[in-house]
Amino acid sequence: AQKITQTQPGMFVQEKEAVTLDCTYDTSDQSYGLFWYKQPSSGEMIFLIYQGSYDEQNATEGRYSLNFQKARKSANLVISASQLGDSAMYFCAMRTAGGTSYGKLTFGQGTILTVHP
Amino acid sequence: DAGVTQSPTHLIKTRGQQVTLRCSPKSGHDTVSWYQQALGQGPQFIFQYYEEEERQRGNFPDRFSGHQFPNYSSELNVNALLLGDSALYLCASSLAWDEQYFGPGTRLTVT
Repeated sequence: AQKITQTQPGMFVQEKEAVTLDCTYDTSDQSYGLFWYKQPSSGEMIFLIYQGSYDEQNATEGRYSLNFQKARKSANLVISASQLGDSAMYFCAMRTAGGTSYGKLTFGQGTILTVHP
Repeated sequence: DAGVTQSPTHLIKTRGQQVTLRCSPKSGHDTVSWYQQALGQGPQFIFQYYEEEERQRGNFPDRFSGHQFPNYSSELNVNALLLGDSALYLCASSLAWDEQYFGPGTRLTVT
């Protein structure tokens, strides 16, 4: 079974500073993908960044980067230069390739990020 | 290019009733997945449709059923509604193995 753990229910950061949101995962599959989504209060899930299990480089998308440590099964999201608009719920999710889990996303419990001016 | 759309936005139903939620995928996408998100929780996978067939299903009872049409749009039906079915229902579309794009969701309240 696949499992995603986000241990930080809430995080606070000062505007323009960097913040790291933690995510650990558990799967027996060798091929998998890790995703981060942002969910503002409006409810829509916004895709931020993707890391494949065979990708050797850490993924980056603008101010977002994914600190992928395969041996530790962690996929932390780093947001640089935080902005007030970054305040939202953030979800880590995993998709595995094998067996019956094809195409299914497994989500963590989420971390609420609050950016202070 | 329109993204994923869902209707209705909000819905209030009574216990025991039936509800149908609708989803139109992003242009060019052929796969639709449905998720249920209870308040304060992460989304839970309900099922996924591809080529008009249910390809994969999560741990949800048979009261939850779906359909995909030839134009790739999809419906989620829930029968015999329970109070616990109150949640945000998210539809996501993708092209095969690519990343899933989510719609704005339908917020269902069961009273």
